[in-house]
Amino acid sequence: QVQLQESGPGLVKPSETLSLTCTVSGGSISSYYWSWIRQPPGKGLEWIGYIYYTGSTNYNPSLKSRVAISIDTSKNQFSLRLSSVTAADTAVYYCARVGAVVVGATAYNWFDPWGQGTLVTVSS
Amino acid sequence: DIQMTQSPSSLSASVGDRVTITCRASQSISSYLNWYQQKPGKAPKLLIYAASSLQSGVPLRFSGSGSGADFTLTISSLQPEDFATYYCQQSYRTPLTFGGGTKVEIK
Repeated sequence: QVQLQESGPGLVKPSETLSLTCTVSGGSISSYYWSWIRQPPGKGLEWIGYIYYTGSTNYNPSLKSRVAISIDTSKNQFSLRLSSVTAADTAVYYCARVGAVVVGATAYNWFDPWGQGTLVTVSS
Repeated sequence: DIQMTQSPSSLSASVGDRVTITCRASQSISSYLNWYQQKPGKAPKLLIYAASSLQSGVPLRFSGSGSGADFTLTISSLQPEDFATYYCQQSYRTPLTFGGGTKVEIK
C-alpha cells in the first residue's frame, strides 16, 4: 500500500526558510493530489496546501504569501517551502495523499494516507 | 473560511459506552465532511469520509451521520483502543478546515 515519509531539518532559524520533502512509496505520485498539513504542539490541525501531479497548486490564504509546494514525479516526491518562519511555525508537519470518490456529479475528498509527521522547531 | 466547531472538546467514558461527538459547520457543506482519529504521537487516521462512508478497515462500531451543517460521529461500544482525539474536516471549499478536536478519555 502507499506510504508517505517526510524528511528535512528539524530545526530552522527565525526568518529562514523551512524545507521539507515527502517521499511516496508503494504507488505512483501521478493522478493524485498531495497535501501538507501541520499541527502545532498540543493544538489542532491546519491545512497548508495541496498540489496535483501536473503541478497545479492551491494554498491556504493564511500562508499563501510564504508557501510553495512543488512536485517531482520522476522521484515520486513532493516538497514544501515556507519562508520567513517564526516561532508560530513550530509544528509537526504531515504530508498526505488526497483521496477522492465521485458520486454522480459530486467529488468527495479526504486525507489518506498520512506520513508519520516530522517536528520542525523554529528557534535561534 | 468555513469554521468547524466540535463538541464536546473532551469527554470521559467507559469501555462499552456509546459515544457521540458533534461537529457543526459555519455554513452548509452538504456531505463534504470527514472524521479522523489521532492517537498521541501518531498521524491522524481516516475513519469516515463523505459524512457517512466508513473507510476500509475501520471497525463497524464507528459511524457518521448528518448533512448540511450538523454532523455526528458515533462509537457504538467504546473499546480500549478508541481512546484518542477525534477531528472533523470539511472538504466543501478551500481553505480546507478542521474542527478543534474532541479528546475521548477513560473514565
